[in-house]
Amino acid sequence: QVQLQQSGPGLVKPSQTLSLTCAISGDNVSSNSATWSWIRQSPSRGLEWLGRTYYRSKWYNDYAVSVKSRISINPDTSKNQFSLQLNSLTPEDTAVYYCARGEGATGKLDYWGQGTLVTVSS
Amino acid sequence: SYELTQPLSVSVALGQTARIPCGGNNIGIKNVHWYQQKPGQAPVLVIYRDNNRPSGIPERFSGSNSGNTATLTISRAQAGDEADYYCQVWDNRFCVFGPGTKVTVL
Repeated sequence: QVQLQQSGPGLVKPSQTLSLTCAISGDNVSSNSATWSWIRQSPSRGLEWLGRTYYRSKWYNDYAVSVKSRISINPDTSKNQFSLQLNSLTPEDTAVYYCARGEGATGKLDYWGQGTLVTVSS
Repeated sequence: SYELTQPLSVSVALGQTARIPCGGNNIGIKNVHWYQQKPGQAPVLVIYRDNNRPSGIPERFSGSNSGNTATLTISRAQAGDEADYYCQVWDNRFCVFGPGTKVTVL
């Protein structure tokens, strides 16, 4: 059974950088058949996919156009986890952030983290 | 960029059938996945690749996909099916979610 455990701060100041981590159990971040995504949810934006990282003989990243200039998603193979960094935060980045595993063949997001409410406020 | 449309809300009488449409340009050629989300919880996959149920999802949940519309069907609706439902596809290398439909069981 795959489990994803999120960690990171719930309150970040405007203009600062958000850092969240998603620890994986029951699978491997270097799997050749999985992808690892970050998704956020707010009342104004609904579910918004932010980006993903995955390994297919080398590491790849895809990022949503809306955050491409501010985002970085990185794997940590030594700890079997992946992280999200989102910089230049504004109050519009306030949301619940989720990590999720994607199955490579179908693209289904079959396992999700518990969610982290991130508030951007001074 | 690819867009998905869903009705804001759908109501269904207890024990009856709810159908939730998800519209998109030529969505019939894409794999459509559906998620159920209850308040305060993470989304849960209920249908993948148009019409497949993950283990543990009741047979009452089914899906179809053709042309410009995919549909999630909930048969014999129960009170516990009240939730928000989201469709999702991949457009090239980007993940797209629908805006979500709130299902109310009357």
